[in-house]
Amino acid sequence: GESVGLHLPTLSVQEGDNSIINCAYSNSASDYFIWYKQESGKGPQFIIDIRSNMDKRQGQRVTVLLNKTVKHLSLQIAATQPGDSAVYFCAEILNSNSGYALNFGKGTSLLVTP
Amino acid sequence: EAQVTQNPRYLITVTGKKLTVTCSQNMNHEYMSWYRQDPGLGLRQIYYSMNVEVTDKGDVPEGYKVSRKEKRNFPLILESPSPNQTSLYFCASSSNTPTGGGNTIYFGEGSWLTVV
Repeated sequence: GESVGLHLPTLSVQEGDNSIINCAYSNSASDYFIWYKQESGKGPQFIIDIRSNMDKRQGQRVTVLLNKTVKHLSLQIAATQPGDSAVYFCAEILNSNSGYALNFGKGTSLLVTP
Repeated sequence: EAQVTQNPRYLITVTGKKLTVTCSQNMNHEYMSWYRQDPGLGLRQIYYSMNVEVTDKGDVPEGYKVSRKEKRNFPLILESPSPNQTSLYFCASSSNTPTGGGNTIYFGEGSWLTVV
């Protein structure tokens, strides 16, 4: 089946720097994409999402970019803080009349150092 | 506040002793699902339900059962747990067609299950 992958399993950044986490997806028909943050011992927490008819969406300190030409999704975190240390997952959703198919990436671990 | 609530959060049990992990959502969502998360394997779907009395297998359904008698609840049942079911379990809920703008997929806090 289709799969969603991440380029880097771990990412270490200094506090205050910007972070970029990447995700490659293979189903060009996917309608919708989500980035989740998962802290140790907790459930995935919604960060930001983007529909397939958009190429950029901004939230508070986070931006998601979607490049459908190369099937690439990225999450940018501005001025990374220690509290941003977590595992980040991308997810792609393909909607249909019989529900939706959801594929997750395996996650990128972000470590923010002081 | 949108919530997906799982219980218990932590459980150690013995092989063969039936157990149920409950999941409840307060968003009137049609779609609910269960995932297990294992190191190096990410989140894998066990079962899902598109509405009351409608359930279907996900990618790893063996050894699990579910039921959907009410819209808000979707319990996960392990009839005869085995050590390979030791994992972190997540319940999730959404509409049947998540498309963003608040219409998204919400996860519970997780249930750590150890089978000895």
